[in-house]
Amino acid sequence: DAGVTQSPTHLIKTRGQQVTLRCSPKSGHDTVSWYQQALGQGPQFIFQYYEEEERQRGNFPDRFSGHQFPNYSSELNVNALLLGDSALYLCASSSSGTGFYGYTFGSGTRLTVV
Amino acid sequence: RKEVEQDPGPFNVPEGATVAFNCTYSNSASQSFFWYRQDCRKEPKLLMSVYSSGNEDGRFTAQLNRASQYISLLIRDSKLSDSATYLCVVNPPSGSARQLTFGSGTQLTVLP
Repeated sequence: DAGVTQSPTHLIKTRGQQVTLRCSPKSGHDTVSWYQQALGQGPQFIFQYYEEEERQRGNFPDRFSGHQFPNYSSELNVNALLLGDSALYLCASSSSGTGFYGYTFGSGTRLTVV
Repeated sequence: RKEVEQDPGPFNVPEGATVAFNCTYSNSASQSFFWYRQDCRKEPKLLMSVYSSGNEDGRFTAQLNRASQYISLLIRDSKLSDSATYLCVVNPPSGSARQLTFGSGTQLTVLP
């Protein structure tokens, strides 16, 4: 049974560019949350998707947007990249029925903005 | 003030030692509490949930003090494999019930 799959694993982009990160949730999970983890910090909540809609959003600018597809997979898009966007981006999936107790993280996408 | 604050660390302890991590949270209405473990350059993984009555899982004991808004994790008989960053995690009140708030983490190195 595959866990949470994220792609790509590593990415290097230039300031001002746009990036799309992808996440496939664990089988049986219908909810996807995205987190940003800067070096030396804990993950910070970006937003959560359920039933193809953004259900909740953290304190991140509109440059960060997302999408969830009918198969529950999700994308995170970041426009106009800044150097400060360099971080590990984590996707976590869960089931709406079990909430946090089934929360499973993917291994993340490491984004470097130069 | 940060929503979740942890001991800054790092903690360097010999094998077999007992080590304790502390964490405080700012929102008294927070509902769920966890400790996660994160190995270097890997994703966080749930170590254990934390309950008001305290809970134990082998060498690990977690305690919650709601009155003091304080969470602790005790590791007994430390192993080399316990070396990791330990993240204190809180689920804020119902208005933001769908997100987890992480502390900055405490790095533990167990030395041979």
